[in-house]
Amino acid sequence: KAGVTQTPRYLIKTRGQQVTLSCSPISGHRSVSWYQQTPGQGLQFLFEYFSETQRNKGNFPGRFSGRQFSNSRSEMNVSTLELGDSALYLCASSSQGARTEAFFGQGTRLTVV
Amino acid sequence: TQLLEQSPQFLSIQEGENLTVYCNSSSVFSSLQWYRQEPGEGPVLLVTVVTGGEVKKLKRLTFQFGDARKDSSLHITAAQPGDTGLYLCAGARFGNEKLTFGTGTRLTIIP
Repeated sequence: KAGVTQTPRYLIKTRGQQVTLSCSPISGHRSVSWYQQTPGQGLQFLFEYFSETQRNKGNFPGRFSGRQFSNSRSEMNVSTLELGDSALYLCASSSQGARTEAFFGQGTRLTVV
Repeated sequence: TQLLEQSPQFLSIQEGENLTVYCNSSSVFSSLQWYRQEPGEGPVLLVTVVTGGEVKKLKRLTFQFGDARKDSSLHITAAQPGDTGLYLCAGARFGNEKLTFGTGTRLTIIP
């Protein structure tokens, strides 16, 4: 069974640009969650999608958005990038959500310069 | 304010020693998970505990969920260099599918 795939692995952007990250969950999983990981703040929850609907949202500004497609693949978008957006962005897939095992991808390392 | 506080934040011990990592909260969780993350990788689930007072063993690792479902501990016996990594606890609250992660414990086992 293929694992969670995140693309790209590394990304360098300049301030003010926007970026789109992609996550392909494990086949059959309908829940996809996104997290931001930084040395200072740890793993912070961004949002969760289940069957194409955003089910939960963390405390991030509106510049952070996401969506989920009918095949459960998910994308997250960050607009008007700031230096503080530099982080490892992790995607986790699970069959039902937080109460079931979450499988993480390797993450996308975003650097904003 | 971080919902789940882990202690210690950093721990460096010799191979063969025992250690305990703590995960504490003032909130009640329906379930709690422990993950280990290695550099350049995403976290990998070690265990899920769902019942207050539950104890689960995974080889040299022992996980305990507090009776009040507000805290958890991870005990490693005879630590090995392969145990090195970032250990994260994560809790799910009743009626909410959002998983909240702890502050993390960075463990280094010295050969």
